[in-house]
Amino acid sequence: KAGVTQTPRYLIKTRGQQVTLSCSPISGHRSVSWYQQTPGQGLQFLFEYFSETQRNKGNFPGRFSGRQFSNSRSEMNVSTLELGDSALYLCASSVATGTGGVTEAFFGQGTRLTVV
Amino acid sequence: AQSVAQPEDQVNVAEGNPLTVKCTYSVSGNPYLFWYVQYPNRGLQFLLKYITGDNLVKGSYGFEAEFNKSQTSFHLKKPSALVSDSALYFCAVRDANAGNNRKLIWGLGTSLAVNP
Repeated sequence: KAGVTQTPRYLIKTRGQQVTLSCSPISGHRSVSWYQQTPGQGLQFLFEYFSETQRNKGNFPGRFSGRQFSNSRSEMNVSTLELGDSALYLCASSVATGTGGVTEAFFGQGTRLTVV
Repeated sequence: AQSVAQPEDQVNVAEGNPLTVKCTYSVSGNPYLFWYVQYPNRGLQFLLKYITGDNLVKGSYGFEAEFNKSQTSFHLKKPSALVSDSALYFCAVRDANAGNNRKLIWGLGTSLAVNP
């Protein structure tokens, strides 16, 4: 069974540009979450999508957005990049069986974004 | 407010010795607790979770964790450490009474170094 796939693995962008990151979840997983990981802040939750709907959102500015497609693949977009956006962006998928189920998340290897 | 604390930035143990990585949490309701491990340049891998039931949870690679409600702790343990266990370990919590709010709150991570 293929794992969570994130593309690209590495990106270098210039301040002010925008970027789109992609995540393909494990087959059958309908929930996709995005995290930003930095050495000082650890993992910060960005948002979660389930069945093409954003179900939860973290405390990030509106420059960070995402979406989920009917095949559960997800993208996140960051507009007007700032130097502080440099981080490892992780995507995680889970089965998400409903409020009564608690399933673990499976993570991709991440996209390393560097803003210069 | 929900929070997770991993009080040690780094833990050093000798190979063959027992290891403990500490985690304490704060949630308003009952907790769902998770441990993940991250190897260099990789995403996070699930180790184990506590949902309900037996306070001692066994997980992957010989790891286990003990849920202690009175101390609000969920320490990760392994009887005999391996050099290959050297990695970054994350504890995460979710409030079981949060309904559809599946957001996990993460600790900042503990770097485990196992010395040969």
